[in-house]
Amino acid sequence: DAGVTQSPTHLIKTRGQQVTLRCSPKSGHDTVSWYQQALGQGPQFIFQYYEEEERQRGNFPDRFSGHQFPNYSSELNVNALLLGDSALYLCASRFWGQTYGYTFGSGTRLTVV
Amino acid sequence: DQQVKQNSPSLSVQEGRISILNCDYTNSMFDYFLWYKKYPAEGPTFLISISSIKDKNEDGRFTVFLNKSAKHLSLHIVPSQPGDSAVYFCAARASGTYKYIFGTGTRLKVLA
Repeated sequence: DAGVTQSPTHLIKTRGQQVTLRCSPKSGHDTVSWYQQALGQGPQFIFQYYEEEERQRGNFPDRFSGHQFPNYSSELNVNALLLGDSALYLCASRFWGQTYGYTFGSGTRLTVV
Repeated sequence: DQQVKQNSPSLSVQEGRISILNCDYTNSMFDYFLWYKKYPAEGPTFLISISSIKDKNEDGRFTVFLNKSAKHLSLHIVPSQPGDSAVYFCAARASGTYKYIFGTGTRLKVLA
């Protein structure tokens, strides 16, 4: 049973460019959250998707946007990349009825140069 | 504003002894708390949770204690094993929201 799958695993982009990160949730999970983890910090909530809608958003600018597809997979898009966007981006999924126990993927390491 | 704080960046414990990881929070609206552990190059792995209506939850070697009056959470690992060496994060969710706020983590090293 595959867990949460994220692609790509590593990415290097130039300032000002745009990036798309992808996530396939664990089988049976229908809710996807995205987190940003900077070096030495805990994960920070970006947003959560359920039923193809953004349910809640954290304190991130509009440059960060997302999408959830009918098969529950999700994308995170970041426009106009800044050096400070360099981080590990984590996708977490769960079944909507659960309150806890999100399953995380291994993340995408984004480096902006 | 760091609403969830893990004030000990690192902890070393002998194998077989108890590991106690601490977490403090400031928001009285938090109603659900989680502990995750993270190995290098992997995503966080869920360990144990506790609801604000309880003060203790146990799962095998892992026990989480919640002291609501002190706004303090702790994770006890007994007995500690070398495989427990990882970074441990506590996370909290406010009632009516979907967002979990994570602490900065505590690196646990269990010495053989």
